[in-house]
Amino acid sequence: NAGVTQTPKFRVLKTGQSMTLLCAQDMNHEYMYWYRQDPGMGLRLIHYSVGEGTTAKGEVPDGYNVSRLKKQNFLLGLESAAPSQTSVYFCASSPYLAGEQFFGPGTRLTVL
Amino acid sequence: AQKVTQAQTEISVVEKEDVTLDCVYETRDTTYYLFWYKQPPSGELVFLIRRNSFDEQNEISGRYSWNFQKSTSSFNFTITASQVVDSAVYFCALSEAKRGGADGLTFGKGTHLIIQP
Repeated sequence: NAGVTQTPKFRVLKTGQSMTLLCAQDMNHEYMYWYRQDPGMGLRLIHYSVGEGTTAKGEVPDGYNVSRLKKQNFLLGLESAAPSQTSVYFCASSPYLAGEQFFGPGTRLTVL
Repeated sequence: AQKVTQAQTEISVVEKEDVTLDCVYETRDTTYYLFWYKQPPSGELVFLIRRNSFDEQNEISGRYSWNFQKSTSSFNFTITASQVVDSAVYFCALSEAKRGGADGLTFGKGTHLIIQP
């Protein structure tokens, strides 16, 4: 039982490049979330999903897109990376509304 | 809109001292959930506790205890007899169940706790 996994763990991009971060969970959770963590800012919600095929915007959605084609996977895309998107990205899943969220190990992204 | 304030940016204590981390929240909902997470130097987020707005009983788990007071909108976390392994960043977070809770957690900015040997 791997829990929540994230791919890749580290990535360096140049401004304007695109990439996709993959989050996978094997706990059959309905709810999945993407957060970003910046120094001194805590975690902020980017997008979330309440089930397969659904997505919604969080607090800081600009510059990101997401997809949840399969229940176990939640993808976060950056179409044209900017230095302001340098951050640590965390994925989380939860079995029910307002329940405990289980976090992945994080992806450290640097945009030059 | 909901908000979580952790006014203590950094706390440093000597091992075996007791330490309290403060958390003050704002919400217009009557039903909500409060959480604490620990982030050790390795970077992962570790769940510590979840408490709903209707349960004001204090909770104790080993050396950890939580004091929830709706009257002051606070959910403080105390570590008794601190240990070096407690050194981490601690986050308080809020979820407003009225909106389904599906809009995720609102986090405070965290308190960096340093336990000196």
